[in-house]
Amino acid sequence: DAGVTQSPTHLIKTRGQQVTLRCSPKSGHDTVSWYQQALGQGPQFIFQYYEEEERQRGNFPDRFSGHQFPNYSSELNVNALLLGDSALYLCASSHGATDTQYFGPGTRLTVL
Amino acid sequence: KQEVTQIPAALSVPEGENLVLNCSFTDSAIYNLQWFRQDPGKGLTSLLLIQSSQREQTSGRLNASLDKSSGRSTLYIAASQPGDSATYLCAVLSNQAGTALIFGKGTTLSVSS
Repeated sequence: DAGVTQSPTHLIKTRGQQVTLRCSPKSGHDTVSWYQQALGQGPQFIFQYYEEEERQRGNFPDRFSGHQFPNYSSELNVNALLLGDSALYLCASSHGATDTQYFGPGTRLTVL
Repeated sequence: KQEVTQIPAALSVPEGENLVLNCSFTDSAIYNLQWFRQDPGKGLTSLLLIQSSQREQTSGRLNASLDKSSGRSTLYIAASQPGDSATYLCAVLSNQAGTALIFGKGTTLSVSS
């Protein structure tokens, strides 16, 4: 049984560009959450998707958007990249909102 | 606003020691609390989840306790090993925050052989 997978592993972009990160949830999970983790900090909640809709959003600007597909996989899009967007982006899946969240290996985004 | 604090920020111990990591949270209205392990540059591995109605959970050499009324949790690691070296993160699923996990900044543990 595959766990949560994310792609790509690493990504380097320049300021102003756009990026798309991908996540496949653990088998049987229907809820996907995205988190941003800056160096030396705990992860910060970006948003959560359930039944292809954004259920909850954290304190992130509209430049951060997402999507969930019918197979429960999800994408995180970031437009107009800033240097401060450099971070590890983590995807977590769960069966329902309050169940244990299982995390993927993350995507390391570097903005130059 | 729910806030999670972890003390200490870093800890170094010799192999074989028993140790305790601390986590405190400001709002006691939580669904559950999770402890995670994170190796450098990697994702999070869930270690233990304690529901709000529970007092503790155990897995192998790990024991996590929860005192909701005082807003505190501890992670006890018995007979530490060099392989336990990692950052340990505490996170709460708070009624106030809906479905978002609120994390502390973590405790970085180094176990020397």
